[in-house]
Amino acid sequence: GEQVEQRPPHLSVREGDSAFITCTYTDPNSYYFFWYKQEPGASLQLLMKVFSSTEINEGQGFTVLLNKKDKQLSLNLTAAHPGDSAAYFCAVRTGGYKVVFGSGTRLLVSP
Amino acid sequence: DTTVKQNPRYKLARVGKPVNLICSQTMNHDTMYWYQKKPNQAPKLLLFYYDKILNREADTFEKFQSSRPNNSFCSLYIGSAGLEYSAMYLCASSKGERLFFGHGTKLSVL
Repeated sequence: GEQVEQRPPHLSVREGDSAFITCTYTDPNSYYFFWYKQEPGASLQLLMKVFSSTEINEGQGFTVLLNKKDKQLSLNLTAAHPGDSAAYFCAVRTGGYKVVFGSGTRLLVSP
Repeated sequence: DTTVKQNPRYKLARVGKPVNLICSQTMNHDTMYWYQKKPNQAPKLLLFYYDKILNREADTFEKFQSSRPNNSFCSLYIGSAGLEYSAMYLCASSKGERLFFGHGTKLSVL
């Protein structure tokens, strides 16, 4: 079945720096891709969903890139601030209704 | 209301005893999921309901049961809890691509 590898597991950056997280998946038939954010004590919240191989900037200070050829999904926070400190999870929808998650990246943004 | 509610937030259980976790949503979503989340690990899909059809993952098939008496409610049942069941259990629902998550139930098995 689908496997999703997420890197890095922990990331610490200074305010204003960029933070880059990447996921590699295995099933070439995967067709929908997600980034979720989980703040301490809160539920997972959808940050972005991606369908086609395209670079998208939602205007919230981050960019998502999907490379279906290499089966990679990435999230780049372009100018991180302390409020971005959270756990970030990528997720991949495979055949049917199954959604497989990466193991998460704990991001810490220090002032 | 776009919330998924899970009860309780925390649950203690004894080894060998049954555990029943509850999830509800009022968004009329057709699919409801249960994930198991352990520290520093990916949320692991246990099972999901599409409408009334239950789909259980092969490697957890015999460990977890579930019921969905109506569109809004879904339960996760462990017949005999073991120490390895200690984890956060996340319920999610969807109608379309996006999953909406509850806060989870943290199960501690002693």
